[in-house]
Amino acid sequence: DAKTTQPPSMDCAEGRAANLPCNHSTISGNEYVYWYRQIHSQGPQYIIHGLKNNETNEMASLIITEDRKSSTLILPHATLRDTAVYYCIVHADSWGKLQFGAGTQVVVTP
Amino acid sequence: DTEVTQTPKHLVMGMTNKKSLKCEQHMGHRAMYWYKQKAKKPPELMFVYSYEKLSINESVPSRFSPECPNSSLLNLHLHALQPEDSALYLCASSQDHRSGNTIYFGEGSWLTVV
Repeated sequence: DAKTTQPPSMDCAEGRAANLPCNHSTISGNEYVYWYRQIHSQGPQYIIHGLKNNETNEMASLIITEDRKSSTLILPHATLRDTAVYYCIVHADSWGKLQFGAGTQVVVTP
Repeated sequence: DTEVTQTPKHLVMGMTNKKSLKCEQHMGHRAMYWYKQKAKKPPELMFVYSYEKLSINESVPSRFSPECPNSSLLNLHLHALQPEDSALYLCASSQDHRSGNTIYFGEGSWLTVV
């Protein structure tokens, strides 16, 4: 699976949009981009995933560049409960193996 | 319902004890996983079960023994563990093992080996 690069930490003001970048320059054509988050002491929570097209659900939007070498997770209106570690994972393995990287610690402040 | 239920939430065991962690899902998923997460580290895959058969063992020591009694249940049997095995153990499931499926995680079982 391709490796991902994320900033180690980000701050975001409550009520503002949070834009989390992820670089995956070695991504292959059949590799999906997944985003999970983990609030302290809890299990990882699925946010969204996509292959080529931009995706949106009730939690977030995923914007994938045309060359697929990077993506951005957008939390449209950050709340204090969005404070968590966010993991960007590029996943192609046919056996469902998610290889977590170090992630981005997002802190939402009032 | 996208719930993966893990029990117990907390477990303290001695190095000579035998204990088990349990995981249950009722989403009809046919792939189930065990991950291990040490403090301040990302989760690491241990085992993958597909259609109740062990498909992946990520070179996990034999003191960890997984079992999949049926399509809804996944156990992790623990025996003769070491203090360094203390960690958060996460169970997950997905429709099947293929890429593109959503993998749902449980809240985890905190294990302390004394």
